Amino acid sequence: NAGVTQTPKFRILKIGQSMTLQCTQDMNHNYMYWYRQDPGMGLKLIYYSVGAGITDKGEVPNGYNVSRSTTEDFPLRLELAAPSQTSVYFCASTGTGSRGDTQYFGPGTRLTVL
Amino acid sequence: QQQVKQSPQSLIVQKGGISIINCAYENTAFDYFPWYQQFPGKGPALLIAIRPDVSEKKEGRFTISFNKSAKQFSLHIMDSQPGDSATYFCAASLDSWGKLQFGAGTQVVVTP
Repeated sequence: NAGVTQTPKFRILKIGQSMTLQCTQDMNHNYMYWYRQDPGMGLKLIYYSVGAGITDKGEVPNGYNVSRSTTEDFPLRLELAAPSQTSVYFCASTGTGSRGDTQYFGPGTRLTVL
Repeated sequence: QQQVKQSPQSLIVQKGGISIINCAYENTAFDYFPWYQQFPGKGPALLIAIRPDVSEKKEGRFTISFNKSAKQFSLHIMDSQPGDSATYFCAASLDSWGKLQFGAGTQVVVTP
């Protein structure tokens, strides 16, 4: 049981390039989330999904897109990378989404946009 | 704006001492308050959580104190150990989608 896995671990992008951050969970969780973590700012929710085919915006969605075609996978797409997207990105999942249900986080992807 | 305000940004405590981290919130609709622990290079992991119908919750050396009228809650780490050195985040949730509002984090360093 690997939990939540994320790839790649590190990536450097040039301004204007695109990339997809991969997230997979093997716990059969319906709810999945993407957060970004900036120094001194905590974690901010980018997008979330309550099941395959259902996604919605979080607090800071601009510049990102998501899709959820399967229960296991929740990729995050950056279309035109900007320096402001330099951050550490975490994917998380939880079973029911109800309050009290633990969110399990992946190890993160450190992205630098130059 | 930051809906959950956390302080201090960092603290240093000696082994065996008590670490105290405070959080304050504005939205009275929040009804679930977890604390997450994060080690360098790792994702956050749930440490302990509380609902507003109780004033205190204790798990081992970790205690959450909750003051509903003041809209504040705090994490106390008793008998702090070097292995507790990590960044701690408070958070709050108010809906059934599990969305969390995080504080800015507190870096705790426990010296031997």
